[in-house]
Amino acid sequence: GQNIDQPTEMTATEGAIVQINCTYQTSGFNGLFWYQQHAGEAPTFLSYNVLDGLEEKGRFSSFLSRSKGYSYLLLKELQMKDSASYLCAVKDSNYQLIWGAGTKLIIKP
Amino acid sequence: DTAVSQTPKYLVTQMGNDKSIKCEQNLGHDTMYWYKQDSKKFLKIMFSYNNKELIINETVPNRFSPKSPDKAHLNLHINSLELGDSAVYFCASSHHPQTGTNYGYTFGSGTRLTVV
Repeated sequence: GQNIDQPTEMTATEGAIVQINCTYQTSGFNGLFWYQQHAGEAPTFLSYNVLDGLEEKGRFSSFLSRSKGYSYLLLKELQMKDSASYLCAVKDSNYQLIWGAGTKLIIKP
Repeated sequence: DTAVSQTPKYLVTQMGNDKSIKCEQNLGHDTMYWYKQDSKKFLKIMFSYNNKELIINETVPNRFSPKSPDKAHLNLHINSLELGDSAVYFCASSHHPQTGTNYGYTFGSGTRLTVV
């Protein structure tokens, strides 16, 4: 079966750095996405990786290793507004998005 | 200028009723989707539709049916509502999954359905 694993919850301090990991086992691979979802709101697109390596976008970076079935989202200079759930999703060989359950990130002052 | 809009935002109804949720996108996307997000926050695909092809998640009861009058609209109709249907339903759209592989999905703001 297809599976996306992420930690359920993480806690970090304002101003610090946090890394959210995602491991996947899917039938084929056509890219990996990270989404941010604030409580009671819709998911919003953060990043896309299809080749191995690091993609940097401001305070957020996303890394992919296809051989290891592994990605992480790195958030720097954490702000209180970064408190949200972070969803990892993989597009499989049928171009269908397979979603993880999300990691709830709690930022403390 | 909302990209993906769905209505209503909240829907409270009794068991056994029939209800519809509307979705419209003005992004010119080829494909539209309906997702269900339950209390555990899992996003589960219900349908994807691109004018030519309807893909149905086989776990979705046939009480749920998508209706697409045109490329910009994909409505969700639910018959004989049950308590277990209570969840947040998200509409989303994207470029064609194969040709627009590096584009993400754009989600509507969600419809919180409560069946009592």
